Amino acid sequence: QKEVEQNSGPLSVPEGAIASLNCTYSDRGSQSFFWYRQYSGKSPELIMSIYSNGDKEDGRFTAQLNKASQYVSLLIRDSQPSDSATYLCAGSSSGGSYIPTFGRGTSLIVHP
Amino acid sequence: DAGVIQSPRHEVTEMGQEVTLRCKPISGHDYLFWYRQTMMRGLELLIYFNNNVPIDDSGMPEDRFSAKMPNASFSTLKIQPSEPRDSAVYFCASSSLANEKLFFGSGTQLSVL
Repeated sequence: QKEVEQNSGPLSVPEGAIASLNCTYSDRGSQSFFWYRQYSGKSPELIMSIYSNGDKEDGRFTAQLNKASQYVSLLIRDSQPSDSATYLCAGSSSGGSYIPTFGRGTSLIVHP
Repeated sequence: DAGVIQSPRHEVTEMGQEVTLRCKPISGHDYLFWYRQTMMRGLELLIYFNNNVPIDDSGMPEDRFSAKMPNASFSTLKIQPSEPRDSAVYFCASSSLANEKLFFGSGTQLSVL
């Protein structure tokens, strides 16, 4: 069973702080990783994708990938109350289909 | 483009009734996915299509669930007969490539009483 694991949270951080969201995956052959943000009652939307080891930055968001440790993280700098949402980690399956498998998500609360 | 369009947004039905969920993917996208989301199990892949052909339906919970994609612009997910444990949010998503960004519809909130 190929799994993507996340701490369900909630992770609570003060406004302006760095929020760190973590994810581990079991399929060593996974090549692509994604972070989706899902506001309550809404559908998931992609905020970051990462394909190679290291860091990838986009505005206030940084995705980090460590394939040796099978670990993916998302850092949100200068967290805002509008960042409060559930963050879903997804990894593409190996074996040719490349269909993403989602973790159950981490709830982030940014309080003023 | 209007994005992925799902209908209905909400469906309330009684146990034993047939339920049909509908999805229109983004034009030009070759992949269509049906997901189910619950608090307990998160976002689960039920089935996906490539160029209108079902590729993997191993996530479909049982024979009560069926999905079709008669053409590139329309797909249905049918539950017959429905049961209370089918209550969940059902999302349809599409993408141009399998391992690229998924575009999700607004979802159908299904409640089976």
